Amino acid sequence: GEDVEQSLFLSVREGDSSVINCTYTDSSSTYLYWYKQEPGAGLQLLTYIFSNMDMKQDQRLTVLLNKKDKHLSLRIADTQTGDSAIYFCAERDDKIIFGKGTRLHILP
Amino acid sequence: DGGITQSPKYLFRKEGQNVTLSCEQNLNHDAMYWYRQDPGQGLRLIYYSQIVNDFQKGDIAEGYSVSREKKESFPLTVTSAQKNPTAFYLCASSIEEGYGYTFGSGTRLTVV
Repeated sequence: GEDVEQSLFLSVREGDSSVINCTYTDSSSTYLYWYKQEPGAGLQLLTYIFSNMDMKQDQRLTVLLNKKDKHLSLRIADTQTGDSAIYFCAERDDKIIFGKGTRLHILP
Repeated sequence: DGGITQSPKYLFRKEGQNVTLSCEQNLNHDAMYWYRQDPGQGLRLIYYSQIVNDFQKGDIAEGYSVSREKKESFPLTVTSAQKNPTAFYLCASSIEEGYGYTFGSGTRLTVV
């Protein structure tokens, strides 16, 4: 069945770049998403990419898609303390399937 | 401003009681969803509804019930049959099934 995999934890020093990786199984996915969840809150859509794109940039965020390897990544440049959150990768075919989330911890 | 509102933010339930979590949206979205979130487990789909008066079970529907009498509202009842209901519950909506979801701020349910 459809599955989305991502590592559970990532620690990054403040000011460095964070790269969160994700793999998915459904080759017919049309959209891929990155959501952010801050403590005690709902999920907020950060960015998305169409499956026919390789890259999308939005200010400090860069999304890379390798469709052949079914690999998606989110790069956050100049990581700040406010970026500390759980980041969910998700794919859409007819439904949205979420990964288990990567908890990003910022080191001073 | 359009959005999706969940209430209450915190809810405490005694063993054997049913409780209902509210979810209301004014985005004119057709599809609505309920997820359960446990630490390290990600989001698990409980129920979803693509249109008024219709809903389908998700992956973990046992012990839960829903209704969709109005487009704006999709309440979730956690019944006494749900053996481990303590969790964070998230409601979401989208224009139609599969499009990007808008999430509510969640309800944390604790059994006491």
